[in-house]
Amino acid sequence: ETGVTQSPTHLIKTRGQQVTLRCSSQSGHNTVSWYQQALGQGPQFIFQYYREEENGRGNFPPRFSGLQFPNYSSELNVNALELDDSALYLCASSTGTDQETQYFGPGTRLLVL
Amino acid sequence: KQEVTQIPAALSVPEGENLVLNCSFTDSAIYNLQWFRQDPGKGLTSLLLIQSSQREQTSGRLNASLDKSSGRSTLYIAASQPGDSATYLCAVTPTVRGGETSGSRLTFGEGTQLTVNP
Repeated sequence: ETGVTQSPTHLIKTRGQQVTLRCSSQSGHNTVSWYQQALGQGPQFIFQYYREEENGRGNFPPRFSGLQFPNYSSELNVNALELDDSALYLCASSTGTDQETQYFGPGTRLLVL
Repeated sequence: KQEVTQIPAALSVPEGENLVLNCSFTDSAIYNLQWFRQDPGKGLTSLLLIQSSQREQTSGRLNASLDKSSGRSTLYIAASQPGDSATYLCAVTPTVRGGETSGSRLTFGEGTQLTVNP
């Protein structure tokens, strides 16, 4: 157990809908990163939030957006869902220094029909 | 652009074997390299983290080495057990630039799916 929790665990949506995924960071961690992992692939970096500000973004379109709250929990929002958005979405928390290991949550499995 | 490759993609071995998983990366400007374990449908568990200045790290039956100049890392698993069956992922963190918080974005390989048969 890493202390990072995500909700919901599974989700089914249809194309064009919007979805919000949630992540609760490990206590004391002020940085959260989101990753998308398609079946059989390694995770791909979506973006990172540090003290409520976006701090780096991967190669994902603007319909992927996020928020980090004062308690350092976080949301990932995806608008206009596409079939290729079907994946496991992972969040990871850390203290923000590169020396630290990132602690991953169990993920949210999203299926877009 | 950093690319991480893992070989083999899948590996099946009998219990008790010693085995080696390979990871290579194209850009040697890394801050650290990590090995993770992922059980089916689950999140990632960090196994070992090697700083760029280090050559290896050990934890129990696991030993990871890093050769930054050649862009290679290996994960050695001694005396494999059925409970070791999982996907093993390696990931690199880019070098921190100046004093800014560059963010610990990880670039992952596609993983090696390991099956240890009783």
